[in-house]
Amino acid sequence: GAGVSQSPSNKVTEKGKDVELRCDPISGHTALYWYRQSLGQGLEFLIYFQGNSAPDKSGLPSDRFSAERTGGSVSTLTIQRTQQEDSAVYLCASSLPQGASSPLHFGNGTRLTVT
Amino acid sequence: AQSVTQLDSQVPVFEEAPVELRCNYSSSVSVYLFWYVQYPNQGLQLLLKYLSGSTLVESINGFEAEFNKSQTSFHLRKPSVHISDTAEYFCAVRDGGSQGNLIFGKGTKLSVKP
Repeated sequence: GAGVSQSPSNKVTEKGKDVELRCDPISGHTALYWYRQSLGQGLEFLIYFQGNSAPDKSGLPSDRFSAERTGGSVSTLTIQRTQQEDSAVYLCASSLPQGASSPLHFGNGTRLTVT
Repeated sequence: AQSVTQLDSQVPVFEEAPVELRCNYSSSVSVYLFWYVQYPNQGLQLLLKYLSGSTLVESINGFEAEFNKSQTSFHLRKPSVHISDTAEYFCAVRDGGSQGNLIFGKGTKLSVKP
């Protein structure tokens, strides 16, 4: 079946512009995660959605970052007034609603470059 | 808070040599442990996982990892590596009672040379 789909695969934007990154999870996966991967920094957790529960936003680095998940499926990560330090690969993952033992399934990421 | 340490940022090895990629996590009553692999320009793929039961878990491509509770470690090993194993490897942990996010280490880049 189809895996996690992210779009666009690459995005170049000018400093100060807003960007939207899209994630389409695997069908039936109620948990959805956003991570940021910067060179040499590993994966930084940003936000987690689980079903209809309030999202865990504890990883968002500033109020310029927000995310929503419409209809329990597609998610959009929005970065307002982008800065050069926002340049990174943004990874989305989804998992089954089976609690802590469920592994995450990742998309190929969106590479964001802020010039 | 849970944390994961991958001591080696880069590991260069020759083809057919053995390799061990180290992973340590902070102590917890129960944890679930995962190794992911990332090939260039791709997302992360699950390599293997420890949930419960046997402390030695294996992947389909010859990697294995052993859960050691006393040392809070989950090192990844392969007795003979191939060029195609060149990738970045991430260790991740989740507390057993948590349904939240996975905590990842900073990754280890494995470079296999001919």
